[in-house]
Amino acid sequence: DTGVSQNPRHKITKRGQNVTFRCDPISEHNRLYWYRQTLGQGPEFLTYFQNEAQLEKSRLLSDRFSAERPKGSFSTLEIQRTEQGDSAMYLCASSLMDGPQETQYFGPGTRLLVL
Amino acid sequence: AQSVTQPDIHITVSEGASLELRCNYSYGATPYLFWYVQSPGQGLQLLLKYFSGDTLVQGIKGFEAEFKRSQSSFNLRKPSVHWSDAAEYFCAVGLDDKIIFGKGTRLHILP
Repeated sequence: DTGVSQNPRHKITKRGQNVTFRCDPISEHNRLYWYRQTLGQGPEFLTYFQNEAQLEKSRLLSDRFSAERPKGSFSTLEIQRTEQGDSAMYLCASSLMDGPQETQYFGPGTRLLVL
Repeated sequence: AQSVTQPDIHITVSEGASLELRCNYSYGATPYLFWYVQSPGQGLQLLLKYFSGDTLVQGIKGFEAEFKRSQSSFNLRKPSVHWSDAAEYFCAVGLDDKIIFGKGTRLHILP
């Protein structure tokens, strides 16, 4: 298994444009998480899926953000009408929920810069 | 509110010296605790985790951590650091199916 992969690794865009990121989890992991990490901070939870169902969304996730996991495998995170404050590292993690607490495995992240 | 505090933003140690990174949490029940490491351009790698049982947890790369309920702490230790340990270290708490991270401690290694 190659671990969690994310594409693209870097994205530069102009304010107001839409961007989409992709995450491919570890195969057979039923949970997939998105986090955002800004400079000097730890990652902050955005949302997560169990299979194809989106179970929770953070208040950090404004209406401009949408995430999908249509077939319970890969996931996409779209940001519409990007703002400079959206500049951050977007991290994806996956886990196999088979007990009271699972271990999340993280991908390398997508670094977004909004000009 | 539940939180994780890493009081040291930066720590510098000499190669071969011992290391202790501090972590305190605020959480009502027995927490699930993690330490992750992040190297430049890399994702977060799990060093170790505590769910229950023995309060001294062994991890990868020679790291260990000790859960102390009375002090609400989960400090990370290593007896002898290597230059390759230079990175950012995050303590985290598992809560309601998600992870709450501290702000991280950046470790610098002197040759």
